[in-house]
Amino acid sequence: DQQVKQNSPSLSVQEGRISILNCDYTNSMFDYFLWYKKYPAEGPTFLISISSIKDKNEDGRFTVFLNKSAKHLSLHIVPSQPGDSAVYFCAASGVDNNDMRFGAGTRLTVKP
Amino acid sequence: DTEVTQTPKHLVMGMTNKKSLKCEQHMGHRAMYWYKQKAKKPPELMFVYSYEKLSINESVPSRFSPECPNSSLLNLHLHALQPEDSALYLCASRFREPTGELFFGEGSRLTVL
Repeated sequence: DQQVKQNSPSLSVQEGRISILNCDYTNSMFDYFLWYKKYPAEGPTFLISISSIKDKNEDGRFTVFLNKSAKHLSLHIVPSQPGDSAVYFCAASGVDNNDMRFGAGTRLTVKP
Repeated sequence: DTEVTQTPKHLVMGMTNKKSLKCEQHMGHRAMYWYKQKAKKPPELMFVYSYEKLSINESVPSRFSPECPNSSLLNLHLHALQPEDSALYLCASRFREPTGELFFGEGSRLTVL
């Protein structure tokens, strides 16, 4: 049972434009959400997070939006750069426990 | 030191072999994780240790045996594996629970013949 879902396996955008990656979750006990970036032959690296008490968190070119009622979050990258090309994983964690669940990932390609 | 170090990076083993994967971190993190990742799939949680005690076991077959000898070290002992166990095994650690990000190692690529 996939509790975190990324329904778009791939996304291609032009350099300088906005990239929007989406994620849905089913478990209402999740209250902390993260985005990770993964290059081939490397482990995932943390990008940005948001807790359920917020609906937006921004860090430079990266902004994460959370819509709790829709159980949906999105990652916006503006402006997109070729170096952003990677697989992006959405992850979620619940209160009072250690587990962290990942979505299937979205492969982002930013074309020069 | 913000690294999680995994060894070996690559491992090939037969179905009758016994081998171990090792993970080490020196960031003072007290939660450590094993994930399994197959191609084009998300990382799947296997085990979580919190303060050196096993806190989560996601119904993983007993041919995988985790061990946490101390707060910096996490092992995954492998015995009588099947070819379908071939995957990338990722170790991660976490400082703050339940918030805080996971720090991942580069993974150990396991091939079972």
